[in-house]
Amino acid sequence: KAGVTQTPRYLIKTRGQQVTLSCSPISGHRSVSWYQQTPGQGLQFLFEYFSETQRNKGNFPGRFSGRQFSNSRSEMNVSTLELGDSALYLCASSPEAQENYNEQFFGPGTRLTVL
Amino acid sequence: DAKTTQPNSMESNEEEPVHLPCNHSTISGTDYIHWYRQLPSQGPEYVIHGLTSNVNNRMASLAIAEDRKSSTLILHRATLRDAAVYYCILRAYSGGSNYKLTFGKGTLLTVNP
Repeated sequence: KAGVTQTPRYLIKTRGQQVTLSCSPISGHRSVSWYQQTPGQGLQFLFEYFSETQRNKGNFPGRFSGRQFSNSRSEMNVSTLELGDSALYLCASSPEAQENYNEQFFGPGTRLTVL
Repeated sequence: DAKTTQPNSMESNEEEPVHLPCNHSTISGTDYIHWYRQLPSQGPEYVIHGLTSNVNNRMASLAIAEDRKSSTLILHRATLRDAAVYYCILRAYSGGSNYKLTFGKGTLLTVNP
């Protein structure tokens, strides 16, 4: 079974631009969660989508948004990029929503650099 | 809010046991304790989770203190492939699908041959 895939793997943008990251979960998984990882803040939870609905969200500004499609693929969008948005963005999938399933399977991440 | 504290780094020798501590003194009764590890240039990988009782799986053991204010991840025989950053994570539920994840800063484990 293929693992979680994320595209693109690397991305360079400039301040003020917007960016869309994509995540394809493991086949059959219906939950997709997004995380931001930075050297200073470590791992931080962004949001979880399950059956095309946002189930939960972390403490991030509204510039960070996401969606999930009927095939469970998910996209994350960041508008009006700031230098501080430079990070590794990780996507994780699981068969069920996080409150019902304890193990998440992470992708390799998308490295976003904002100049 | 619940908070986790982990040592920044630990060192071990190959084939020796490793005990990775995590303090979570403000944990609530329904908070789950999860451990993930992240190898260089990879996404995190699930290791183990528990609520109150000690847990074992093929990768590791999780020892949870009786008062649940701390836990220890035990790798029984460290190998070079276990060198990674280990994260202690609390999952706190507040009803329905609402939950909060609290991540530790992680412990960088170095395994010496």
